[in-house]
Amino acid sequence: EVQLVESGGGLVQPGGSLKLSCAASGFTFSGSAMHWFRQASGKGLEWVGRVRSKIYNYATTYDESVKGRFTISRDDSQNTVYLQMNSLKTEDTAVYYCARQGYTQAFDPWGQGTLVTVSS
Amino acid sequence: DIQMTQSPSNLSASVGDRVTITCRASQSISSYLAWYQQKPGKAPKLLIYKASSLESGVPSRFSGSGSGTEFTLTISSLQPDDFATYYCQQYNSYWTFGQGTKVEIK
Repeated sequence: EVQLVESGGGLVQPGGSLKLSCAASGFTFSGSAMHWFRQASGKGLEWVGRVRSKIYNYATTYDESVKGRFTISRDDSQNTVYLQMNSLKTEDTAVYYCARQGYTQAFDPWGQGTLVTVSS
Repeated sequence: DIQMTQSPSNLSASVGDRVTITCRASQSISSYLAWYQQKPGKAPKLLIYKASSLESGVPSRFSGSGSGTEFTLTISSLQPDDFATYYCQQYNSYWTFGQGTKVEIK
């Protein structure tokens, strides 16, 4: 079964850090670009960033709203992608999803999501 | 940035109805458009890619059309399992979503 499972969410104070993980199974992880998205409560979906595969030198791209604060990395030996979030702001509060960019260029599957709450 | 605008934002319909949701891009995105279904507390699910290609396993009552800046998602006969929020997403230049269309029971 093709599956993504996120972990690492929680409550953090403004200015703090948190690292999310997304474990993949059921597909060739090493050949896939992996993305992170987020969704604030009651709001729409927002793209956060991407890490490409080894043949593209693990290139990363980020939305302007998180550039310089968030870092995406991957460990192909562990079939896992990470989202390191630093200098967190209250507006970063959201459910964070990882997703595989498939051969269609659309996103499937998605993980179940992990909630990040930034509050004092 | 490419902006995506969906209409309507909310839609009330009955089981068996034909439902159409529209998505407009602020500039041409060719056919690089996907549609997703999201239920409360769940992750989005891919329905349609490349504007009109049905994802494997998705019921044939779902269909997509359009190119350039105007796109539609049609559900030919609404079923109880289809009450959800639907999002369009462009992937021509980076990745942006419409604001969503919530399909509710009439």
